[in-house]
Amino acid sequence: SQTIHQWPATLVQPVGSPLSLECTVEGTSNPNLYWYRQAAGRGLQLLFYSVGIGQISSEVPQNLSASRPQDRQFILSSKKLLLSDSGFYLCAWSESDYNTEAFFGQGTRLTVV
Amino acid sequence: GQQVMQIPQYQHVQEGEDFTTYCNSSTTLSNIQWYKQRPGGHPVFLIQLVKSGEVKKQKRLTFQFGEAKKNSSLHITATQTTDVGTYFCAGRSFNTNAGKSTFGDGTTLTVKP
Repeated sequence: SQTIHQWPATLVQPVGSPLSLECTVEGTSNPNLYWYRQAAGRGLQLLFYSVGIGQISSEVPQNLSASRPQDRQFILSSKKLLLSDSGFYLCAWSESDYNTEAFFGQGTRLTVV
Repeated sequence: GQQVMQIPQYQHVQEGEDFTTYCNSSTTLSNIQWYKQRPGGHPVFLIQLVKSGEVKKQKRLTFQFGEAKKNSSLHITATQTTDVGTYFCAGRSFNTNAGKSTFGDGTTLTVKP
């Protein structure tokens, strides 16, 4: 069966510090991968998605970047965090087929102080 | 771009009462998915609707997809405290890259015992 791992679960970082969140998927190959951000009490904002190694699509201009160095590994990064980067970050995967659901990781609650 | 709107944003009910959340898209959808996020948790897939006018049931939950494939609803009969959480719809339009859906902001349901 497929599983998705996302870490860390919580993170407190000072303004201006770098960020690296990692997500890995097991039990499938060539998945679509996604990074979402959820502000408190709000919906899910798609930040990045990837349909293959090295292929990253950015949905919104921001202080963040994403990379996919391996088929089942997706990394969210920032060189210098801003206060506005605080939020709940969720990694998700879906099959590459068009009509399939997304499976979410446990999420990382990031607080920038 | 595609917009997906959900109403209401919040709903407070007494245990045993019914609950309905509505989802409306600015564009015709190829499919719509519903997710549930428990407080402090991550979104979990509930169901996917693909056909115009489709109705699907899961125990006390009834999901409908509009004839024009631009709106959807989730109805819960006789709510229980275990129904507490935020319900999201996610719509995928025909001209969207495979795997990318637009999430509504969700309806947060609280149930008073």
